[in-house]
Amino acid sequence: DTEVTQTPKHLVMGMTNKKSLKCEQHMGHRAMYWYKQKAKKPPELMFVYSYEKLSINESVPSRFSPECPNSSLLNLHLHALQPEDSALYLCASSRVRQGARDQPQHFGDGTRLSIL
Amino acid sequence: AQKVTQAQTEISVVEKEDVTLDCVYETRDTTYYLFWYKQPPSGELVFLIRRNSFDEQNEISGRYSWNFQKSTSSFNFTITASQVVDSAVYFCALSEAEDSSYKLIFGSGTRLLVRP
Repeated sequence: DTEVTQTPKHLVMGMTNKKSLKCEQHMGHRAMYWYKQKAKKPPELMFVYSYEKLSINESVPSRFSPECPNSSLLNLHLHALQPEDSALYLCASSRVRQGARDQPQHFGDGTRLSIL
Repeated sequence: AQKVTQAQTEISVVEKEDVTLDCVYETRDTTYYLFWYKQPPSGELVFLIRRNSFDEQNEISGRYSWNFQKSTSSFNFTITASQVVDSAVYFCALSEAEDSSYKLIFGSGTRLLVRP
């Protein structure tokens, strides 16, 4: 079992739907991440939250809207997605140590998203 | 620019064989951190090891070992006496700092198939 929990595991939605992906961790980590992973490709970073504030946005289209309501939760709100957005969406968390990049990220199992 | 190269796309071995996964990195930083992750078919990325640039000691953990060589910018991963459960995609990654956060630069991954 992972210490980062993502729901739902699978999601099928139409292009006009609005849905949300959820991620939760109770390791006391203050950095949380969203990644998108297409088949046979490495994960691509989408967003990073540090101390509940958005610190990195990798030029992600506005149809993806992240939210970090508290230090344990991370959401990704989806609206008007395209078929090419079908992918595995991974959430991760890590400790934050100022000036250091050595803290490993711990990943959830992901949400497999299919856009019809 | 930071870059990680995993030249081996796919490796197939028979159980009990030893196998080495290659990772070559590029960075201008004098202090940097490298990681290996395993991604089984279930989707979760499992953290295996972290190595910092000022510690060139090789590491062994059970059947896993890592060879870090700054002179060749390589951080290779060897599995001794491979088992079917080792079948997965393995990613090498380099951390890159951005303000108070950091992101992982992943290699393209090596898919390992261990046949019984």
